[in-house]
Amino acid sequence: GAGVSQSPSNKVTEKEKDVELRCDPISGHTALYWYRQSLGQGLEFLIYFQGNSAPDKSGLPSDRFSAERTGGSVSTLTIQRTQQEDSAVYLCASSPRLAGNEQFFGPGTRLTVL
Amino acid sequence: RKEVEQDPGPFNVPEGATVAFNCTYSNSASQSFFWYRQDCRKEPKLLMSVYSSGNEDGRFTAQLNRASQYISLLIRDSKLSDSATYLCVVNGGGGYQKVTFGTGTKLQVIP
Repeated sequence: GAGVSQSPSNKVTEKEKDVELRCDPISGHTALYWYRQSLGQGLEFLIYFQGNSAPDKSGLPSDRFSAERTGGSVSTLTIQRTQQEDSAVYLCASSPRLAGNEQFFGPGTRLTVL
Repeated sequence: RKEVEQDPGPFNVPEGATVAFNCTYSNSASQSFFWYRQDCRKEPKLLMSVYSSGNEDGRFTAQLNRASQYISLLIRDSKLSDSATYLCVVNGGGGYQKVTFGTGTKLQVIP
């Protein structure tokens, strides 16, 4: 079956531009997570969705970052006025039901801010 | 104290060796534990869940020590293909069971 997909796979943008990153979770998975990973670093939690609501947004690094999820499926992570320090791989994961279940990761979006 | 801590390594071991990683966690209410594997420039993938009684999957053995709040991963007869970063994952407990990833332990198996 189809796994988690993310688009675009690569995004190069100029500083101060806005970007949107998309995640299509596995069908039926109610939990969805966004992480980012800088080169050689660990996963940094950004936000967690259960259905369309986000009980934990504590990882969003600034108010330039926002995310939404509609229809309990697709999620979009938006970064406004991008900065060079936003350059990283943004990973999305989905999980069948509870937050404690296995997470299935997408291939990530590699964001480069020039 | 970090919620989940791992030795970053790298662990450089010869083929055929046995290697073990530990991971400590701070929240005693944690309920679920996992080991993930991440290859270079790839997404993490589940290696195995960690059960209270310990569990084994081929050359891999995972154990949980709740009293000391750590989990371990043992790899026997290391293969070159085992070279990767191993991520410890802990369900932190609490209202929605927050999941926390460790920063990973890098393993390099040498011919």
